[in-house]
Amino acid sequence: QKEVEQDPGPLSVPEGAIVSLNCTYSNSAFQYFMWYRQYSRKGPELLMYTYSSGNKEDGRFTAQVDKSSKYISLFIRDSQPSDSATYLCAMSATTGNQFYFGTGTSLTVIP
Amino acid sequence: GAVVSQHPSRVICKSGTSVKIECRSLDFQATTMFWYRQFPKQSLMLMATSNEGSKATYEQGVEKDKFLINHASLTLSTLTVTSAHPEDSSFYICSAREVRGRPGETQYFGPGTRLLVL
Repeated sequence: QKEVEQDPGPLSVPEGAIVSLNCTYSNSAFQYFMWYRQYSRKGPELLMYTYSSGNKEDGRFTAQVDKSSKYISLFIRDSQPSDSATYLCAMSATTGNQFYFGTGTSLTVIP
Repeated sequence: GAVVSQHPSRVICKSGTSVKIECRSLDFQATTMFWYRQFPKQSLMLMATSNEGSKATYEQGVEKDKFLINHASLTLSTLTVTSAHPEDSSFYICSAREVRGRPGETQYFGPGTRLLVL
């Protein structure tokens, strides 16, 4: 079983839609949860960072962590064509710095 | 946010040659840098973790004699692919962790280096 599972998509939505991206994980030691956005042929860019359980909002983006279910989500409101990218979830435990990445979900927002 | 640069952004080389990729943290000091490899439509695979002034720690299955990592200073790490072969063609990405930061918020990725071995 992989440490982190993420549906690779692809996901295609019309402009203005609400997008929901999800990851599940198996390691209960994970404490830090990140979402990265990666445009084609570019390095990942940190979008959201959450420690432990709870919600975090930043503009059109909301990250949710449910540690009891080992499930994290990223919501994108009022999606824009510029949001078209691959979204990677990542997580790490309290000790050590290794990140465990999901496979990434490819998102296309159609104008 | 902090900036991490990589050079070169793209390199094409002949089989058997060695290629060096540089990773620099431009506006912060990084005690730890990570090297990842990414194949098309796949996620990032951690190759090795390098700490300034010490030997790198390689992930299982990564040949340390083939992928030489040097973390010479708090702002520079290099990855040298020795005797490159076509199967080494990939997208190599580094990330740098800022000193005295929590793992998630202060690990920044470079733009990646695309290596093509002919």
